[in-house]
Amino acid sequence: EAGVAQSPRYKIIEKRQSVAFWCNPISGHATLYWYQQILGQGPKLLIQFQNNGVVDDSQLPKDRFSAERLKGVDSTLKIQPAKLEDSAVYLCASLPGGNNEQFFGPGTRLTVL
Amino acid sequence: AQSVTQLGSHVSVSEGALVLLRCNYSSSVPPYLFWYVQYPNQGLQLLLKYTTGATLVKGINGFEAEFKKSETSFHLTKPSAHMSDAAEYFCAVHGNQFYFGTGTSLTVIP
Repeated sequence: EAGVAQSPRYKIIEKRQSVAFWCNPISGHATLYWYQQILGQGPKLLIQFQNNGVVDDSQLPKDRFSAERLKGVDSTLKIQPAKLEDSAVYLCASLPGGNNEQFFGPGTRLTVL
Repeated sequence: AQSVTQLGSHVSVSEGALVLLRCNYSSSVPPYLFWYVQYPNQGLQLLLKYTTGATLVKGINGFEAEFKKSETSFHLTKPSAHMSDAAEYFCAVHGNQFYFGTGTSLTVIP
């Protein structure tokens, strides 16, 4: 079974630029999460999707962050414009229905200069 | 409301010694509890989880954890540390949302 795929693995941008991250969850997993993990901290939930609907985006900075999962499969997380404090690893995770075990992708490490 | 507290951001043990990583949680609903391991430049990998039933949970790589409701704890242990155990460990709670602790970095001294 293929795992959660994320791309790119690394991204370096300057502040005020835009960036997008892509996630392809495990096939059949209805729930998809995006987390932000700042160096030295645990993952913080940004947004949770159930199929193509948003379940929880209460911690997503909506003035600059957006995410979509149009067909209920893969998802894109965008930051526009980026700030220095957005430097972090962005983790995607998926979860099959009726289960509570998340499967994580390798993450995208974003550096904002 | 839910939260997780991991006591000790860095733990060092000698190879072959007992590993003890501490986790305390708060949850307004019966929690599901998890321990994840993260190796450098990788995502999180599930070590073990507690949902219901037996309070002593065995996971991969010889790790285990005990759910103690009276102490609101879910400490992770391994009887004998191996060099390959060096990594970052995260405790997490799932009530109506997943919350992660700040992590404990484990160093194993040869």
